[in-house]
Amino acid sequence: NAGVTQTPKFQVLKTGQSMTLQCAQDMNHEYMSWYRQDPGMGLRLIHYSVGAGITDQGEVPNGYNVSRSTTEDFPLRLLSAAPSQTSVYFCASSPYRATYNEQFFGPGTRLTVL
Amino acid sequence: AQKITQTQPGMFVQEKEAVTLDCTYDTSDPSYGLFWYKQPSSGEMIFLIYQGSYDQQNATEGRYSLNFQKARKSANLVISASQLGDSAMYFCAMREWDTGNQFYFGTGTSLTVIP
Repeated sequence: NAGVTQTPKFQVLKTGQSMTLQCAQDMNHEYMSWYRQDPGMGLRLIHYSVGAGITDQGEVPNGYNVSRSTTEDFPLRLLSAAPSQTSVYFCASSPYRATYNEQFFGPGTRLTVL
Repeated sequence: AQKITQTQPGMFVQEKEAVTLDCTYDTSDPSYGLFWYKQPSSGEMIFLIYQGSYDQQNATEGRYSLNFQKARKSANLVISASQLGDSAMYFCAMREWDTGNQFYFGTGTSLTVIP
């Protein structure tokens, strides 16, 4: 049981490049989400999904795309990287609509855009 | 309006003393959950404790307890007998069950335990 896995752990991009951050979970959780963490701003929700084929925008969705073709995978795509997207990105998953459901976090991806 | 407010950017506590980290929340949903996470310098997010809006008693998990005051919309984390390993960022979060099921996080409190 690996929990939530994210790849890569570190990435450096040049402005304008695109890339995909991978996220997978093996707990059969319906709910998955992506956050970015910036100093002094806590975790801000980028996109989330409540099941395969269903995604929705969070607080800061601009510049990012997501898809959810399977329960296990929830990749985050940066369309055209900008220095403002330099951040630490966390993927998380949890059961959906259960009485008690903490989020389980991946280890994070530290992204630098030059 | 902010859903979760943590007003203490940084806190210091003497080793073996207790410390309270403040968290207030804003919701009109009667069904919600409150969570605390710890983020050490290594970066991972560690779940600490949970309180449901209908729970009658304050949650406790080992040295962690949650001081839940529903009328005041506060969910403060109390760490008893602080240890050096408690030095970390602490995030308060809320999940509203009836409206979207999203998690909302505060900006965090950096706790430093002094030997």
